[in-house]
Amino acid sequence: NAGVTQTPKFQVLKTGQSMTLQCAQDMNHNSMYWYRQDPGMGLRLIYYSASEGTTDKGEVPNGYNVSRLNKREFSLRLESAAPSQTSVYFCASTVQFSGVKAAQYFGPGTRLLVL
Amino acid sequence: AQSVTQLGSHVSVSEGALVLLRCNYSSSVPPYLFWYVQYPNQGLQLLLKYTSAATLVKGINGFEAEFKKSETSFHLTKPSAHMSDAAEYFCAVSADSSYKLIFGSGTRLLVRP
Repeated sequence: NAGVTQTPKFQVLKTGQSMTLQCAQDMNHNSMYWYRQDPGMGLRLIYYSASEGTTDKGEVPNGYNVSRLNKREFSLRLESAAPSQTSVYFCASTVQFSGVKAAQYFGPGTRLLVL
Repeated sequence: AQSVTQLGSHVSVSEGALVLLRCNYSSSVPPYLFWYVQYPNQGLQLLLKYTSAATLVKGINGFEAEFKKSETSFHLTKPSAHMSDAAEYFCAVSADSSYKLIFGSGTRLLVRP
């Protein structure tokens, strides 16, 4: 099992460019998440997908869109990148069913620099 | 609303000394609590989780944490620090039906030889 994989590992963008961050999991998890990590701020939730076909905003959704392509894949899109979106982006997944709080499993991250 | 506070953005200990990383939470309902570790340039790895079964939770790499409802705390401890424990540690809470995690700001652990 590869767990949670993310591509690309690194990316440099110019202000106004667009890009899509890819995430895939092979653990048959139904819930997937996108976080951003900035120094001194922990991880903040951007968007999540509780199950295939659903997506919801998290704490910091502005400037981002997501697509839950299928049960395995959850992509994050920056339509017009801004320097404030320079960050490390993590995808995570978990199994979600009634009465159980399973842990989230994280990918290795994508480091994004917006100039 | 749920929240997590980690006291001390940096903690420094000598190799072999006790490690104590503090986490306090705020939740109006019984919480689920997690500790994650992040090594440089890597993703987050689960250390341990509290899901109301037992108040003392043992995790990987010799770490453990105790849930104290009266103190709204979930501090992480390890009796004897090892150089390989140097990393950033995050406490997180999940206390509603959305399964979202709320993270603390993290504590960077430095282990001195």
